[in-house]
Amino acid sequence: AQRVTQPEKLLSVFKGAPVELKCNYSYSGSPELFWYVQYSRQRLQLLLRHISRESIKGFTADLNKGETSFHLKKPFAQEEDSAMYYCALSGVGNEKLTFGTGTRLTIIP
Amino acid sequence: DAGVIQSPRHEVTEMGQEVTLRCKPISGHNSLFWYRQTMMRGLELLIYFNNNVPIDDSGMPEDRFSAKMPNASFSTLKIQPSEPRDSAVYFCASSLGTGGYTFGSGTRLTVV
Repeated sequence: AQRVTQPEKLLSVFKGAPVELKCNYSYSGSPELFWYVQYSRQRLQLLLRHISRESIKGFTADLNKGETSFHLKKPFAQEEDSAMYYCALSGVGNEKLTFGTGTRLTIIP
Repeated sequence: DAGVIQSPRHEVTEMGQEVTLRCKPISGHNSLFWYRQTMMRGLELLIYFNNNVPIDDSGMPEDRFSAKMPNASFSTLKIQPSEPRDSAVYFCASSLGTGGYTFGSGTRLTVV
């Protein structure tokens, strides 16, 4: 079975402060990890995926297989980062995505 | 490409009525997914199709829910009869391989 845990339902951070959204996963095989973002009243969008090892909108995420984590980080929060963030997992070669319950990030001006 | 297109955007219906949600995936994508989003449970996979064939419907809550994909460019999710606890946002997504999903704008369903 595959499971994604996002322990924080809500997270508030001051503008300019660092952001870390936590994600832990459970999967017996080789996982592929993703972060999706949903801005207010918009569709979910792919933010980044671990195999790309890229930085999108200043966000990065590193897959830590030892800790089974894929935390999303940004050094300096911006007001436009306020959104709902979902961590998701699929098995290699498997299209089915399992999502965490999401974290609502609010950036305080 | 206009992306994944869902209709209607909003649906308000009375308990007991039949509800049909529609989805047009991105042309060329061979997989289609239906998700339900609620505050309490987040995003739940209801069913997904690959090449128009249902692959995993283990997330469909009960027999009141059914989904079809008659061709590569169209899918429906039907609830009959609807109940207030079905109120949620229903998302459709499509993908080509494991490169990540493209989501539609969702249908906000309210059952009164």
